[in-house]
Amino acid sequence: ETGVTQSPTHLIKTRGQQVTLRCSSQSGHNTVSWYQQALGQGPQFIFQYYREEENGRGNFPPRFSGLQFPNYSSELNVNALELDDSALYLCASSRRGSSYNSPLHFGNGTRLTVT
Amino acid sequence: TQLLEQSPQFLSIQEGENLTVYCNSSSVFSSLQWYRQEPGEGPVLLVTVVTGGEVKKLKRLTFQFGDARKDSSLHITAAQPGDTGLYLCAGAPMKTSYDKVIFGPGTSLSVIP
Repeated sequence: ETGVTQSPTHLIKTRGQQVTLRCSSQSGHNTVSWYQQALGQGPQFIFQYYREEENGRGNFPPRFSGLQFPNYSSELNVNALELDDSALYLCASSRRGSSYNSPLHFGNGTRLTVT
Repeated sequence: TQLLEQSPQFLSIQEGENLTVYCNSSSVFSSLQWYRQEPGEGPVLLVTVVTGGEVKKLKRLTFQFGDARKDSSLHITAAQPGDTGLYLCAGAPMKTSYDKVIFGPGTSLSVIP
């Protein structure tokens, strides 16, 4: 069973730039959620994708956007980077079924630093 | 806005001691999960509790969901250095599934040999 993988592991960007983070979901999972975790805090929900459509969004501005592909992998895009966007970005996959939804399985995250 | 609070924020104890971590909210949750996160890694699910008053045990860890489904506790018996990490509680708001959760700020536990 292949777990959740994220790339890159670390990234340094300049304020105002754009960034794309990638996530491959665990085998058998069809739903992907993205979280932002600032240093010393718990993860904050950004959004979730199911069947290639956004299925819930947290309190994040529109410059945070995403995609889910037919193979259930996903991208998180952030435009016009701000210093406060520096954080660990976590991807989590799960399986949504007709009678049971599994809990989240997390990747190890992408550490984004904005200078 | 549904918020989860955790206490204490930081905890440093000697190996062999017992400890309890608390997770509280003013909101009702359909389920509550506990995760442990180690540096450089993503959170790993420890347990999900669903029924008010439910108690689950995982080796030396005991999890309890409050009767009103607004709070939870994690008790560790005879802590080991391997228990060191960030403990996160996460709640699924009512009428949502296990995979749509909000997280508390975490309790950072350090167990000293």
